Amino acid sequence: GAGVSQSPSNKVTEKGKDVELRCDPISGHTALYWYRQSLGQGLEFLIYFQGNSAPDKSGLPSDRFSAERTGGSVSTLTIQRTQQEDSAVYLCASSLGRGLADTQYFGPGTRLTVL
Amino acid sequence: AQSVAQPEDQVNVAEGNPLTVKCTYSVSGNPYLFWYVQYPNRGLQFLLKYITGDNLVKGSYGFEAEFNKSQTSFHLKKPSALVSDSALYFCAVASGGSYIPTFGRGTSLIVHP
Repeated sequence: GAGVSQSPSNKVTEKGKDVELRCDPISGHTALYWYRQSLGQGLEFLIYFQGNSAPDKSGLPSDRFSAERTGGSVSTLTIQRTQQEDSAVYLCASSLGRGLADTQYFGPGTRLTVL
Repeated sequence: AQSVAQPEDQVNVAEGNPLTVKCTYSVSGNPYLFWYVQYPNRGLQFLLKYITGDNLVKGSYGFEAEFNKSQTSFHLKKPSALVSDSALYFCAVASGGSYIPTFGRGTSLIVHP
C-alpha cells in the first residue's frame, strides 16, 4: 500500500521567503508528526497531531513555524520569513494513534535549503 | 522526562562480523523502545520494538535487540553484518504521558567489505 508521501522533495528558497511543506499520511492513521533533521543533530520533534485533538506544538522553535492538518489527513508545515538556520530535512511520520507502542511510518522528507 | 543516548557517532565493522549499536535510555515509567534505520536520502524505516515480555526482540533484516532493565539499555545486534547494512540507526523511547517518542542522535554504521 501507499506509504507516507511528502512534497516537494527538495526546496531551495531565499532568506526571508515563506515556504510550505506538505505531508500525506497513510490512510487511516490518526497520528501525524513533524520532525526536523539537521546534520549531526538527530531528529528534532516539531509538532504532533492526534485525531481532532489540539496539536502539541511544544517543539516548534519559533513563531515563524506553524502547521495545520486538514480533515484529519493532509498536513502542511509553513515556515515564514525563512532563515539560513532553517535549512534541514523536514520529516513527516504517521501512526495508527493507538498509544505509546505505535510504530511510526516516515516519509522520505523534504530537504530545505535557505540561501 | 525521557531521554535516549547513542554513545557512538559511528560504528565500523567488517562484513561477516557481529555488530552492536548501543542505546541507553532514561524514563520515569515503563519504556517502549524502538529502533529505526535510515538509508541515504530516505526516511526512517522501522526495524523492531520492545513493548513488554521477552527481553530479546527480533526484527527486520536479521536484526535483534535486547532489553536490559537494570542497565537501561536496548542495544541493537546482528550476528553477521552485511555491507548493505551500512546506514544511520536511530534508537527511540516513549513512556508515560507523552505520545511523542524521543529519538537519539543516531549512529552511523559502516560495514567494510
